Amino acid sequence: DAKTTQPPSMDCAEGRAANLPCNHSTISGNEYVYWYRQIHSQGPQYIIHGLKNNETNEMASLIITEDRKSSTLILPHATLRDTAVYYCIPTLGDYKLSFGAGTTVTVRA
Amino acid sequence: DVKVTQSSRYLVKRTGEKVFLECVQDMDHENMFWYRQDPGLGLRLIYFSYDVKMKEKGDIPEGYSVSREKKERFSLILESASTNQTSMYLCASTTWFEPQHFGDGTRLSIL
Repeated sequence: DAKTTQPPSMDCAEGRAANLPCNHSTISGNEYVYWYRQIHSQGPQYIIHGLKNNETNEMASLIITEDRKSSTLILPHATLRDTAVYYCIPTLGDYKLSFGAGTTVTVRA
Repeated sequence: DVKVTQSSRYLVKRTGEKVFLECVQDMDHENMFWYRQDPGLGLRLIYFSYDVKMKEKGDIPEGYSVSREKKERFSLILESASTNQTSMYLCASTTWFEPQHFGDGTRLSIL
């Protein structure tokens, strides 16, 4: 499995965009990049995933660099409810998700 | 929306007891998973199942067993609970090539 590097923590002002970086320089050609988040006392929640192209859904946007060695999750208008730990997970989709330490995002009013 | 329901949010048991953790999903998913989550160790896969009566070991199966008699239900069994099994247990389900959907977890304390 590819190793990932994420900043341990990040603060964001409510209403502003939050940009969460992830380095995955050892990602293989057929591994997707998945993002999950975990709000305190809840199970992980799927956010978005991509292979090569940038992706957007109702929750977030995912920007993957052309060499696929890094990606950025963008929360366009952060709210207090977005305070959570965010995990970047390269995976083949074979269901063996490996959650690292993630980035603790704190959205402040 | 997919609903993954774990039978208990909090559970306290004694050393040596046989413990059952239940998980039910309502989306007819083929695949179900049990993880445990510990501070500093992330999520670790215990067992998973890709069909009724089928099971596969994950990374840390020792001390655990599972049962999948019906498609919607996946049970985790601690045969003889020990204090090092105190943890948050998370169940997830998915169909092929889709993201996993998680329950809210069971925080299990073994005294």
